[in-house]
Amino acid sequence: DAGVIQSPRHEVTEMGQEVTLRCKPISGHNSLFWYRQTMMRGLELLIYFNNNVPIDDSGMPEDRFSAKMPNASFSTLKIQPSEPRDSAVYFCASSWGLAGAGDTQYFGPGTRLTVL
Amino acid sequence: KNEVEQSPQNLTAQEGEFITINCSYSVGISALHWLQQHPGGGIVSLFMLSSGKKKHGRLIATINIQEKHSSLHITASHPRDSAVYICAVSGNTDKLIFGTGTRLQVFP
Repeated sequence: DAGVIQSPRHEVTEMGQEVTLRCKPISGHNSLFWYRQTMMRGLELLIYFNNNVPIDDSGMPEDRFSAKMPNASFSTLKIQPSEPRDSAVYFCASSWGLAGAGDTQYFGPGTRLTVL
Repeated sequence: KNEVEQSPQNLTAQEGEFITINCSYSVGISALHWLQQHPGGGIVSLFMLSSGKKKHGRLIATINIQEKHSSLHITASHPRDSAVYICAVSGNTDKLIFGTGTRLQVFP
C-alpha cells in the first residue's frame, strides 16, 4: 500500500485566499484524522471521522475551517479565508478505527502551509 | 498543566549510550502511543501499548498503569535515532492527546 497520501506537500498563499488540503487514507481504514502542528502548540487534533462521519470536531479553530469526507477514500480540509496564523504543517492520519481500541495511526507526509 | 507530560524536552547523547525518555499522564487511558518524527517531518508510530512492555529492535517501551507513567528506552543509540519522540494517549475513543515531544540528538 502507498500509505496515507496528502496533497499538496507545500502550499504558499496570501492572506484571505481559500486553501484546500487533500488526503487519501490507507485503503480499508475506517478512521481519518486531521492534525495541525506548530512550534508553539505542537500536534493538535482538528477533527476525526469514523466511517466518513465526523466524530469529534472540537479542535477545529473556528468557522474558517471546514472538513469533509465524501467517501472512504478521500477527505478535504478547507480554510476560507486563510490567515497568517494558520501557517503550520497539517497532517492527515488513518487507522482501522475499531471503536475504543486506540488503534495505531498511520500518518501522511504532511502539508506545509504558509500564509503570507 | 498538560494532560501528557514528557521529560526531558531535549536530550543529547553519544553514540552507543542507553537513552530513556519519560511520559506521565493524568487522564484515564485505553492505550499509550510512542511516535517518532524525523527531521524531515514524517511521523511514524513506534509502539501502542496498554500494559507491560513491548520491544522492537533496539527500542523498548514500558508502561505502568497504576503510576500513569511510560518510558521509551533506546539501547546502543545511533545518530540515525536523532528525532523528536512524542508520547500520546487515547481514552475510550480514537482521539489522541499528545505530549510536547522530546528532541533527541545522538552524536557520533
